[in-house]
Amino acid sequence: RKEVEQDPGPFNVPEGATVAFNCTYSNSASQSFFWYRQDCRKEPKLLMSVYSSGNEDGRFTAQLNRASQYISLLIRDSKLSDSATYLCVVSAGGGADGLTFGKGTHLIIQP
Amino acid sequence: DAGVIQSPRHEVTEMGQEVTLRCKPISGHNSLFWYRQTMMRGLELLIYFNNNVPIDDSGMPEDRFSAKMPNASFSTLKIQPSEPRDSAVYFCASSLVSSSLQQYFGPGTRLLVL
Repeated sequence: RKEVEQDPGPFNVPEGATVAFNCTYSNSASQSFFWYRQDCRKEPKLLMSVYSSGNEDGRFTAQLNRASQYISLLIRDSKLSDSATYLCVVSAGGGADGLTFGKGTHLIIQP
Repeated sequence: DAGVIQSPRHEVTEMGQEVTLRCKPISGHNSLFWYRQTMMRGLELLIYFNNNVPIDDSGMPEDRFSAKMPNASFSTLKIQPSEPRDSAVYFCASSLVSSSLQQYFGPGTRLLVL
């Protein structure tokens, strides 16, 4: 079983719609969770951390379900500029060395 | 502010040649990471350094790969001899402290081994 699994997509979504995707992780001892965004032919960049209580940043909402070992990302009122690959990242420990990246979910926002 | 700097941005070489990738981390960051990204395997951690010291190189594919960090502002990843299966995008990332979970990535080096 892969450590971090994501649906690769692509998710084709019309502009203005709401889109959500999940990520599952296998290590129940995982402590920290993140979503990174990667634009085509660019480097990954931190989008947001995922807290146990869930967190929201503008149009983006991230949630964690420890019991089922998955995290989710919800994008409301999607923009063309949201088109990217979204990487789920999990850390088993407190150090940066423990980051495990999913392969990403490709999102395409269509006009 | 200068981010992580990598060079070259693109590299095309022939099988058997030596390849050297370079990275300059963000000033003040004391952890540096080398990753490789392919469609098949995604983003994989190869090695990371804390305070210029290699901590974990378990992700390095084999002896053909080596990495050094002679000082706080420079690191190299070397492949000798290179093989076609080494073709990938190689990213360098740095973080402020080893306990920081936010890594800042460089633009990557696209390597093609023919």
